[in-house]
Amino acid sequence: DAGITQSPRYKITETGRQVTLMCHQTWSHSYMFWYRQDLGHGLRLIYYSAAADITDKGEVPDGYVVSRSKTENFPLTLESATRSQTSVYFCASRLGQASDTQYFGPGTRLTVL
Amino acid sequence: QQQVKQSPQSLIVQKGGIPIINCAYENTAFDYFPWYQQFPGKGPALLIAIRPDVSEKKEGRFTISFNKSAKQFSLHIMDSQPGDSATYFCAASRGTSGSRLTFGEGTQLTVNP
Repeated sequence: DAGITQSPRYKITETGRQVTLMCHQTWSHSYMFWYRQDLGHGLRLIYYSAAADITDKGEVPDGYVVSRSKTENFPLTLESATRSQTSVYFCASRLGQASDTQYFGPGTRLTVL
Repeated sequence: QQQVKQSPQSLIVQKGGIPIINCAYENTAFDYFPWYQQFPGKGPALLIAIRPDVSEKKEGRFTISFNKSAKQFSLHIMDSQPGDSATYFCAASRGTSGSRLTFGEGTQLTVNP
C-alpha cells in the first residue's frame, strides 16, 4: 500500500534552473493538490487538479506549472527557480466528491541557492 | 488575505494538561472545518473535522468546538501526552465537498513529560 509518494525528498538547485517535483498516488483519487509550507504561512495551495487534464490555480501559482496526463501523477515544475521558492512542497490527494479528506505525501524540501 | 487565522503560534503544556488552539474564519460560505496534525519530517494528516450543523465533535481525546455566530472553532486535547507534540493546522473549505482547503498558520504544540 504505497499511497502517495513524492520525489525527490530533498533537492538543492540554483536560481534560474528548471526543477520538477514528482507526485504519484496509487489510490486512483480524482483530486490532487500541490501546497507549499513556509514558516508563518501554514500551507498555501499552488495548483490543484480535479481529474486528468483538468487543473486550476490556487492561492500562489506564479512561477509554477503543473500537468496531469495520468490520474496517478501530478508533477509540479518550477520553470526558472527563484530563492523565494525555497520551501517544503507537499502533494495531496482526495478521493472525489464522496470524501473531503485530503491525504498528504511526505514532502519535498527544495532549496534554491 | 488570510481567510483563516490561527492562534497561538506556539504552545507549551505539561503532560495531562488541556491545550486549546483557536481559529477564526471570515468566509461565511465555509462549511467544512478540519484539523490536521503534522509531525516533524512528515506530511499533515487529518485528525478530526466538523461541519457547522453541530457545535461540538469529539474523537477520543480530541474535541472540536464550533461557534458559527462568532465564526470561530477550536481544538481541545484532553489529557495531553508527549506524543501529541506536533504542529496543528486548522483549515476550512466551502461547498458540500469543497476542493480547496484554506489553512491557518499552524500551532507548534509541545507537551512536556
